[in-house]
Amino acid sequence: RKEVEQDPGPFNVPEGATVAFNCTYSNSASQSFFWYRQDCRKEPKLLMSVYSSGNEDGRFTAQLNRASQYISLLIRDSKLSDSATYLCVVSSTDSWGKLQFGAGTQVVVTP
Amino acid sequence: DTAVSQTPKYLVTQMGNDKSIKCEQNLGHDTMYWYKQDSKKFLKIMFSYNNKELIINETVPNRFSPKSPDKAHLNLHINSLELGDSAVYFCASSHTPGQLNSPLHFGNGTRLTVT
Repeated sequence: RKEVEQDPGPFNVPEGATVAFNCTYSNSASQSFFWYRQDCRKEPKLLMSVYSSGNEDGRFTAQLNRASQYISLLIRDSKLSDSATYLCVVSSTDSWGKLQFGAGTQVVVTP
Repeated sequence: DTAVSQTPKYLVTQMGNDKSIKCEQNLGHDTMYWYKQDSKKFLKIMFSYNNKELIINETVPNRFSPKSPDKAHLNLHINSLELGDSAVYFCASSHTPGQLNSPLHFGNGTRLTVT
């Protein structure tokens, strides 16, 4: 079983709609969680860190469910520019510096 | 004012050759990394250095040798290149690894093609 798993998608989303997807992790010692965004043929860029109580950044909302070991990302009012691959990233205290990346969820926002 | 810069951006070479990729960060971070992203888009860590000291060395063939002359630089040398080495290699840096307030900053990648 992979340490971090994501639905690869693609999620085809009409412009203006809401899309949400999850990421599951296997290591219960995981402490830090992030969502990164990667555009085609570009480097990953931090979208947001995920805090225990959940957090929001504009149209983006991240949630953490420790009991079920997953994090989620919700995008409201999708824009064409939101089309990208969203990478779930997890680190644990017992793997200093070793962030585990999911393979990514592709989101395609259509006009 | 590029934060993490790596060169070259593209590298096309023949099997058996030796090549190097350079990385520099001007963010004042203590930790630098090399990641490999293969055709299936999985990002896998290869190496991590903290203040010039190797702290992560994943199961990577010893044909790959990182070198960190100072904490702002982490270069990757690859000997005897093989077809399977074709991938995109990303350099990254961070402050305290794995902390919520210490995300990774990536370079724009080196696309290596071995023919």
